[in-house]
Amino acid sequence: AQKITQTQPGMFVQEKEAVTLDCTYDTSDQSYGLFWYKQPSSGEMIFLIYQGSYDEQNATEGRYSLNFQKARKSANLVISASQLGDSAMYFCAMRDSTLQGGSEKLVFGKGTKLTVNP
Amino acid sequence: GAVVSQHPSRVICKSGTSVKIECRSLDFQATTMFWYRQFPKQSLMLMATSNEGSKATYEQGVEKDKFLINHASLTLSTLTVTSAHPEDSSFYICSARQVGEQYFGPGTRLTVT
Repeated sequence: AQKITQTQPGMFVQEKEAVTLDCTYDTSDQSYGLFWYKQPSSGEMIFLIYQGSYDEQNATEGRYSLNFQKARKSANLVISASQLGDSAMYFCAMRDSTLQGGSEKLVFGKGTKLTVNP
Repeated sequence: GAVVSQHPSRVICKSGTSVKIECRSLDFQATTMFWYRQFPKQSLMLMATSNEGSKATYEQGVEKDKFLINHASLTLSTLTVTSAHPEDSSFYICSARQVGEQYFGPGTRLTVT
């Protein structure tokens, strides 16, 4: 069974600094996708970044980058130049297949609460 | 594009009554939608996969007779919580699949008194 582990219940960062949120995963599948979502207090899930298991380059989206280390089964999210609006819950998730016909289910980690201090 | 809405955003109901939550894909068609439940300060747990024109697939431990799912069109899936109890109070989030990606609705906060 697939499993996502986020070991940091809470993280604090100073505004304008970078922060890394940890995520490790466990799967026996060769093909999978990894996601990061942001959930502010209002509750909606905001997609941040995606990494496919066969992608050779680390994914980047603006201030978000994913430090993908396949051998270590880790997919840490790096947020550069933190802003006050980045304060939220962050969830790492895995989809079991990047190919059509996969179950498409998402398995989520427990989340990390990020607080950006002014 | 790829906007998903949910209605209502908040609902309070009395124990024993039923509540229907709607999930709509506004600008795309979705043959597959997903329903998640999130208890306070916890992660999202998949409840069921809703397939247009066929029966939903429920995750282990989720009572299909209690959480009725109907996916009658390519843009609408509904979740009905039947005979709701206080322990059903939770945040319910749907997502709709488009070209392999999932787009989430804003969620519905259900409180059962």
